[in-house]
Amino acid sequence: DSGVTQTPKHLITATGQRVTLRCSPRSGDLSVYWYQQSLDQGLQFLIQYYNGEERAKGNILERFSAQQFPDLHSELNLSSLELGDSALYFCASSVEGDVHEKLFFGSGTQLSVL
Amino acid sequence: AQSVAQPEDQVNVAEGNPLTVKCTYSVSGNPYLFWYVQYPNRGLQFLLKYITGDNLVKGSYGFEAEFNKSQTSFHLKKPSALVSDSALYFCAVRDGRNTPLVFGKGTRLSVIA
Repeated sequence: DSGVTQTPKHLITATGQRVTLRCSPRSGDLSVYWYQQSLDQGLQFLIQYYNGEERAKGNILERFSAQQFPDLHSELNLSSLELGDSALYFCASSVEGDVHEKLFFGSGTQLSVL
Repeated sequence: AQSVAQPEDQVNVAEGNPLTVKCTYSVSGNPYLFWYVQYPNRGLQFLLKYITGDNLVKGSYGFEAEFNKSQTSFHLKKPSALVSDSALYFCAVRDGRNTPLVFGKGTRLSVIA
């Protein structure tokens, strides 16, 4: 068990809908990362937060947004969902977000858009 | 921008034989290199990392990786494969603070008894 908790584990929804994925980092970790894993694109970095502030941004669509709350949990909001958004979404955390740190990954949220 | 290439989608090896999973990288500065493993229905787990120093890095479960700056490679190795090593392996690189950890597409390792 990595200590990173993601909910829900599975999510099935329809095109055009909006969903929220939740992540609780390991105790003491200040940095949270969101990744999208799909068969064709592999593991794509979406966004990173450190202690409540955005630190780095990757290939995150404008329809997607995220935030990190004062208790350090994070939410990823996906709106106007399309079939192509179906993927496994991972959250990861680390203590400071420094280059040498390893990431601890949650088990992911499997999103299916029908 | 940094990038990682894992040239093999699949590697098959017999149990007891040595295994190698290949990775090459591209960064503008000093590379910080990582290997992660993903078992079915699980998140990624850290195996090992190279930051600086000795080119041969030892990690979890008997795995090691060799950093080769001239070939910009960071291949994952294990002297004797186990069936339980069968999983998806990801190489990743960062080249500075406030840059994301960029992953390769992954290599599926199958160890056959």
